[in-house]
Amino acid sequence: GAGVSQSPSNKVTEKGKDVELRCDPISGHTALYWYRQSLGQGLEFLIYFQGNSAPDKSGLPSDRFSAERTGGSVSTLTIQRTQQEDSAVYLCASSSTTGTNTEAFFGQGTRLTVV
Amino acid sequence: GENVEQHPSTLSVQEGDSAVIKCTYSDSASNYFPWYKQELGKRPQLIIDIRSNVGEKKDQRIAVTLNKTAKHFSLHITETQPEDSAVYFCAANYGGSQGNLIFGKGTKLSVKP
Repeated sequence: GAGVSQSPSNKVTEKGKDVELRCDPISGHTALYWYRQSLGQGLEFLIYFQGNSAPDKSGLPSDRFSAERTGGSVSTLTIQRTQQEDSAVYLCASSSTTGTNTEAFFGQGTRLTVV
Repeated sequence: GENVEQHPSTLSVQEGDSAVIKCTYSDSASNYFPWYKQELGKRPQLIIDIRSNVGEKKDQRIAVTLNKTAKHFSLHITETQPEDSAVYFCAANYGGSQGNLIFGKGTKLSVKP
């Protein structure tokens, strides 16, 4: 596609349920980032994938959060046993980092509401 | 740890005035510093970036300056217009080239007509 695509756009789930959020990066982009943005807040780093390197998971807030990137393309962020404080917009971004960082393009985000 | 500090958190200016947003970073290996603009309800979009081999970069009404010694970088918007109203985020890459992007907490800029 022309840009970073995330699905679903909106997700309402009950507390305690598991959710999966999907990110389709721009074709050929080696770097993929996940961020969380609570209402009116900043971009909280969650996890970073760069090529075949081990992902940087240092931003994951708890062991309920995990992410994978299959075949160096699509990524899935999984939140287990969701809590109300997990409610936020989850943003994915990708960039081409051949040699050095370049512009990161963001998806439209998934708005997660835990009720 | 990895940290990008951004100030101020809110900024209100009159149309036509200048606006300055400042950021500091902690990793001396950082060499890429982008700025993003996020309008209400939309995704962040890159407006300008600077690399560590230059001290200043301009694009029309927007400029960014970098002081590597002090680990400071700033965004300058001149002749502000109401459509400049948005949240602005600075970022720095950590661990050098191809590093993770860590963002500041954002500055909400309001330009009053």
